Amino acid sequence: GESVGLHLPTLSVQEGDNSIINCAYSNSASDYFIWYKQESGKGPQFIIDIRSNMDKRQGQRVTVLLNKTVKHLSLQIAATQPGDSAVYFCAEDAGGTSYGKLTFGQGTILTVHP
Amino acid sequence: EPEVTQTPSHQVTQMGQEVILRCVPISNHLYFYWYRQILGQKVEFLVSFYNNEISEKSEIFDDQFSVERPDGSNFTLKIRSTKLEDSAMYFCASINIPGTAYNEQFFGPGTRLTVL
Repeated sequence: GESVGLHLPTLSVQEGDNSIINCAYSNSASDYFIWYKQESGKGPQFIIDIRSNMDKRQGQRVTVLLNKTVKHLSLQIAATQPGDSAVYFCAEDAGGTSYGKLTFGQGTILTVHP
Repeated sequence: EPEVTQTPSHQVTQMGQEVILRCVPISNHLYFYWYRQILGQKVEFLVSFYNNEISEKSEIFDDQFSVERPDGSNFTLKIRSTKLEDSAMYFCASINIPGTAYNEQFFGPGTRLTVL
């Protein structure tokens, strides 16, 4: 039968493990790349961003890697906690006159088991 | 911590009716956005707004949609004649002045619109 909506990729990890969430982006001209976390019933919450002239950026427990050659973005979460369970979206910001216009990826459901 | 607020949290309407979704962006922000998210799908850009006019809009944002900043604090999205396929979560977002570093875009909690 016809499917409705997207079937999001899922990642299940144990508490304390490291998680890696991947994303393929579409616009090679995008200037910024951002990871958002969305908990059930809430709006997207900013996690970390990286500019197109960088290939790695670290935050608190999170690292974002950017590979412009293959248009790939990843989010690494260290020592994953149950509170990290959410849907994670990557987003592109074209910058310039389109600054702030975000194009979101499809999302990955992260489930952390205690 | 400052936050974007949205009202109502849930709006149920009949097909063909007009709805107005309201947002209060963070007070010193100057760029405002509306996005929508159909259940189970990704977040989609609708429109950006700066200096009291639309900066950019997507294909989704057709003549049935309009935005307004009626006063110094509110930012509204109006759907003139709702269709079943307008059922979605609608998120408002805002940014401060863009600078050399990336400015985080703050999202509101969303309004769930259900069109019957």
